[in-house]
Amino acid sequence: DAGVIQSPRHEVTEMGQEVTLRCKPISGHDYLFWYRQTMMRGLELLIYFNNNVPIDDSGMPEDRFSAKMPNASFSTLKIQPSEPRDSAVYFCASRPAGGPKTQYFGPGTRLLVL
Amino acid sequence: SQQGEEDPQALSIQEGENATMNCSYKTSINNLQWYRQNSGRGLVHLILIRSNEREKHSGRLRVTLDTSKKSSSLLITASRAADTASYFCATDASNTGNQFYFGTGTSLTVIP
Repeated sequence: DAGVIQSPRHEVTEMGQEVTLRCKPISGHDYLFWYRQTMMRGLELLIYFNNNVPIDDSGMPEDRFSAKMPNASFSTLKIQPSEPRDSAVYFCASRPAGGPKTQYFGPGTRLLVL
Repeated sequence: SQQGEEDPQALSIQEGENATMNCSYKTSINNLQWYRQNSGRGLVHLILIRSNEREKHSGRLRVTLDTSKKSSSLLITASRAADTASYFCATDASNTGNQFYFGTGTSLTVIP
């Protein structure tokens, strides 16, 4: 398996622009997680899905952030409008149902909002 | 916060030495996992220890868990330059459904 795939790997945009981050989880995994990592705040869970349904979005910082999972093999995290403080590395992770809940992380998207 | 706290925040050692990092957490857990993150990469699972276990080994890794103190330690023996990375503990808390709580991480530098 190719592992969790994220795109783009790097994104540079200007404040106010819409940003869409994409994730393809490992096939067969029922859970998908979006995280944000910054030096100041560490690794933060933004939202997670189970069988394509959002379960907990309490970590989503503001209404400017939204996430969707239209099918089992694709998810998006959208920021509209983007702000400089959104600059961070965004990770997607997935895991199968049951078992020890080990998560498998993608390589991340490094976002810079100017 | 239910996040774990790693200690120290940063650690620098010579190749061949042992590296020990600690994790403290706040709530009852089902298990605790350690992850490694190389610079610019995603986190990679290293080892899991269940709440009823006290020690676990995997290659050069040794993990201990003290549930009475709500703490865990990760020992890397005979460190190598390739071990340079950040290390995170993640707790599967007993009462939080499917969420993980990652700690703040320890940045390890192994000097060749």
